[in-house]
Amino acid sequence: AQSVAQPEDQVNVAEGNPLTVKCTYSVSGNPYLFWYVQYPNRGLQFLLKYITGDNLVKGSYGFEAEFNKSQTSFHLKKPSALVSDSALYFCAVRDILDTGGFKTIFGAGTRLFVKA
Amino acid sequence: DAGVTQSPTHLIKTRGQHVTLRCSPISGHKSVSWYQQVLGQGPQFIFQYYEKEERGRGNFPDRFSARQFPNYSSELNVNALLLGDSALYLCASSLALAGVVVEETQYFGPGTRLLVL
Repeated sequence: AQSVAQPEDQVNVAEGNPLTVKCTYSVSGNPYLFWYVQYPNRGLQFLLKYITGDNLVKGSYGFEAEFNKSQTSFHLKKPSALVSDSALYFCAVRDILDTGGFKTIFGAGTRLFVKA
Repeated sequence: DAGVTQSPTHLIKTRGQHVTLRCSPISGHKSVSWYQQVLGQGPQFIFQYYEKEERGRGNFPDRFSARQFPNYSSELNVNALLLGDSALYLCASSLALAGVVVEETQYFGPGTRLLVL
């Protein structure tokens, strides 16, 4: 069964410093991995995805993620954090169904606090 | 272009009642999925519909049902509400199925927050 784990409930970082939000995955077959962000009282916003190709994936708002097959990790990174990056971040894996449909399996989420 | 829209934004019901939540996908998107997000947890998959056919069902009781209309909008119905059904219900749309286009991106709406008293 496909799953992702986010080992940190919360990450604290100072504005201007680099940030990393960790994610590890467990899949059978090819991993299709995603990062979403959720702001208070808002839905999920898509940040980036890894399907195949380069291990470094660039996404929205200056975020990027590094796919590491040997460590089964897909950590989210940003070189310089902004206060406005404070939000709840979800790592997710896609599970393709026999019907051709799919479901997205989410981690528990990591709350990012960026202090000014 | 408008994103995924959901209605209502908030809803308060009492135990045993029935609720209907609505979702309109991004224009041109044919797939709609529903997720339940309980406070403090990640979203959990409920259903996926594509071209009015159910293509996936999560581990939810039969009290949960859904359908998709010819215009690709969708309804999620929950019968005999329980306190534990209190959650944010998210709708997501995509252009195609990942079984066909594996890199397909899913876009989420703002959600409907349901409170069951």
